[in-house]
Amino acid sequence: AQSVTQLDSHVSVSEGTPVLLRCNYSSSYSPSLFWYVQHPNKGLQLLLKYTSAATLVKGINGFEAEFKKSETSFHLTKPSAHMSDAAEYFCVVSDPSGNTGKLIFGQGTTLQVKP
Amino acid sequence: GAGVSQSPSNKVTEKGKDVELRCDPISGHTALYWYRQSLGQGLEFLIYFQGNSAPDKSGLPSDRFSAERTGGSVSTLTIQRTQQEDSAVYLCASSLNGAIADTQYFGPGTRLTVL
Repeated sequence: AQSVTQLDSHVSVSEGTPVLLRCNYSSSYSPSLFWYVQHPNKGLQLLLKYTSAATLVKGINGFEAEFKKSETSFHLTKPSAHMSDAAEYFCVVSDPSGNTGKLIFGQGTTLQVKP
Repeated sequence: GAGVSQSPSNKVTEKGKDVELRCDPISGHTALYWYRQSLGQGLEFLIYFQGNSAPDKSGLPSDRFSAERTGGSVSTLTIQRTQQEDSAVYLCASSLNGAIADTQYFGPGTRLTVL
């Protein structure tokens, strides 16, 4: 069965410092992995996705993630945090069973950015 | 172009009443998903529609929940005899053809409160 574990429920950084949001996955297949962001009272927005092409994936707003099969990780990083990055971030794996593409979400990480 | 839209944005109902939630997917997207976001359970899959195929209902929590998709476009999620534990944000998403690597585009959600 597929699953994702977000290792931190809450991360706090200062504006201008690097961001690291950690995610480990479990999958018996070659996974499709995603990071979504949810700003307060807004819908979910795709940041980036990994689909077995390049292991370093670049997304919107300066975010990137690296797929590491040996570590079963897909951590999200950004070199310099901006106040507008404060939001909830979800690491997500696509469930290949039944060929439906349904998504399995991690519990989320709240990113706080301090001025 | 237009994204996924959902209505109503907020719904307050009394325990025991039936509610209907509506989703308009992105035009041309054949796959449609319903998810639920609640404090206790996080984000969880409910049901999946793809074209004229039988829906995947494996995520529906009880037989009080049902959904239909008319004409391959608009979908309605119905909750009968609502209970307080049904209080959550109900999210709809669509993707081009339901492939496991497809990006799912989410609507803003319907916040359901059961008193």
